[in-house]
Amino acid sequence: IAGITQAPTSQILAAGRRMTLRCTQDMRHNAMYWYRQDLGLGLRLIHYSNTAGTTGKGEVPDGYSVSRANTDDFPLTLASAVPSQTSVYFCASRLSSGANVLTFGAGSRLTVL
Amino acid sequence: GQQLNQSPQSMFIQEGEDVSMNCTSSSIFNTWLWYKQDPGEGPVLLIALYKAGELTSNGRLTAQFGITRKDSFLNISASIPSDVGIYFCAGPNSNSGYALNFGKGTSLLVTP
Repeated sequence: IAGITQAPTSQILAAGRRMTLRCTQDMRHNAMYWYRQDLGLGLRLIHYSNTAGTTGKGEVPDGYSVSRANTDDFPLTLASAVPSQTSVYFCASRLSSGANVLTFGAGSRLTVL
Repeated sequence: GQQLNQSPQSMFIQEGEDVSMNCTSSSIFNTWLWYKQDPGEGPVLLIALYKAGELTSNGRLTAQFGITRKDSFLNISASIPSDVGIYFCAGPNSNSGYALNFGKGTSLLVTP
């Protein structure tokens, strides 16, 4: 079934550790996005990529980095995790910049202690 | 970025009741989207609206694109227990690669 795969599903991490959340889509969508979801704050954009080889900062980019080496993969890295990065992270994609509908993965729940 | 104000924050209703929620924006949108998130899952698109004044239905769900282009409404008729979840309005972010700005969500609980 075509869609977005996120890994891991959940992870508990010690503060200061490095962590990469993986996101892969098989829909050949051009644009990909990372959001974090926190209680009472909704979904906030961390980083985005309009096409392979390009990335941009969203609303809350500090402490996170992304890369887009190819169309299918869009990993999110926390170089040195802090407790405030405890959240549920969602990867999303869109076919082209002209269509506004995003398709979401199932999420990765991250706890930083 | 554009601010989306969604209300109510939560609703607790009985099965069979109708539900209404709305979203307002600080700026004009060309598209309004409504998503639903089931517990433990990612948001799933319910309805997309592309024209001011547009009224679109998807089963028991009806959404409207406000004529001012700064608001949208979602109605659910004859609610059932599987309507439980968080409903989000969303509009395109002109500054971040056509990402979506989301409202903070309306949490819906339905009792049998």
